Amino acid sequence: KNQVEQSPQSLIILEGKNCTLQCNYTVSPFSNLRWYKQDTGRGPVSLTIMTFSENTKSNGRYTATLDADTKQSSLHITASQLSDSASYICVVPRRPTSGTYKYIFGTGTRLKVLA
Amino acid sequence: DVKVTQSSRYLVKRTGEKVFLECVQDMDHENMFWYRQDPGLGLRLIYFSYDVKMKEKGDIPEGYSVSREKKERFSLILESASTNQTSMYLCASSPGGGTNYGYTFGSGTRLTVV
Repeated sequence: KNQVEQSPQSLIILEGKNCTLQCNYTVSPFSNLRWYKQDTGRGPVSLTIMTFSENTKSNGRYTATLDADTKQSSLHITASQLSDSASYICVVPRRPTSGTYKYIFGTGTRLKVLA
Repeated sequence: DVKVTQSSRYLVKRTGEKVFLECVQDMDHENMFWYRQDPGLGLRLIYFSYDVKMKEKGDIPEGYSVSREKKERFSLILESASTNQTSMYLCASSPGGGTNYGYTFGSGTRLTVV
């Protein structure tokens, strides 16, 4: 079954600390994986995309990793800030046998950064 | 600044009402999508469209319909609103030609049906 699972469901950290969010997927065949950030009451915004051949990609204080063998991705946030408080969603597209792609969304990790 | 605009941020409707949620994108994207987002369930696809006047059912189309008369506009219609349709509704668009482009989402409409 094509699934995307994220852990933890929620996380609370102090400002300035680092954290790592996990995403495991069983979607096959695999083409790419994207991380989105969703602020409360807003739509998700793309942080980064990982393709099959990429292991690590950074976007400022955000670093995503991908292990295509174990079907795992992580999002590491360095020196967290209050503005990092949001939900982080992992998304993997699935190509059906016919028709257009469908995107499989994880349920997200809700991160709260405290001052 | 390119964007996807949803007409209402918050909406309160009565049970049985016909509800229209509007979405407009200014990026000339071929694909447009409607999702609902509920706590613990993530985003679930209601309907999508890959061309004007074309539509396809997503995973949870029951109780909904859509309309795409122009490329930039994709409307979600709740034919007879029910309390179990209380949710956050997200519109998204993407260019055609594969999945490397990802979605651009609107800010969402929080619908409450009373």
